[in-house]
Amino acid sequence: DSGVTQTPKHLITATGQRVTLRCSPRSGDLSVYWYQQSLDQGLQFLIQYYNGEERAKGNILERFSAQQFPDLHSELNLSSLELGDSALYFCASSVQGQGGEKLFFGSGTQLSVL
Amino acid sequence: DAKTTQPPSMDCAEGRAANLPCNHSTISGNEYVYWYRQIHSQGPQYIIHGLKNNETNEMASLIITEDRKSSTLILPHATLRDTAVYYCIVRVAHSGGGADGLTFGKGTHLIIQP
Repeated sequence: DSGVTQTPKHLITATGQRVTLRCSPRSGDLSVYWYQQSLDQGLQFLIQYYNGEERAKGNILERFSAQQFPDLHSELNLSSLELGDSALYFCASSVQGQGGEKLFFGSGTQLSVL
Repeated sequence: DAKTTQPPSMDCAEGRAANLPCNHSTISGNEYVYWYRQIHSQGPQYIIHGLKNNETNEMASLIITEDRKSSTLILPHATLRDTAVYYCIVRVAHSGGGADGLTFGKGTHLIIQP
């Protein structure tokens, strides 16, 4: 158990719909990362937040957005869903120690768009 | 961040040491070598990281060449549960939550044979 909690574990929805994925980081971790993993793609970095502020953006579509709340949990919002958005979505939180940053990943949310 | 090159797949017999190579010939002086692994459909798991010196923890050992252009992850006594995709990542150590996402390549699919 990494200590990072993602809900829901599975989500089935239809094209055109909007969904929200939730992530609770490990206690004390200030950074949250979001990744997408589809069958034909590797782990794609979407976005990172640090203590409530957006820190870095990767290959995140305009239909997707995220935020990190004062209690440090984060939500990833996916709208106007398409079949190609079906994927595993992972959240990670990180601890910055001496000599580098370790990421701890949740077990993911499996999104199926039908 | 420097790019890495890993073999796409490797086999190893159960109980033997698994040695996973990684080339990172363009690594900079302030970049660390990180290893993560992903067991099928689970969230990636941090294994180990290092800068110059060899490192060992309860999971594995990391051997970095003197010129730092390559490294080897060693799983001393591989078990069937070590079957996974192993990612070698080179990244600058960030403070304050980092400035970019951790970029995963294709990794090495390690298969432990009974």
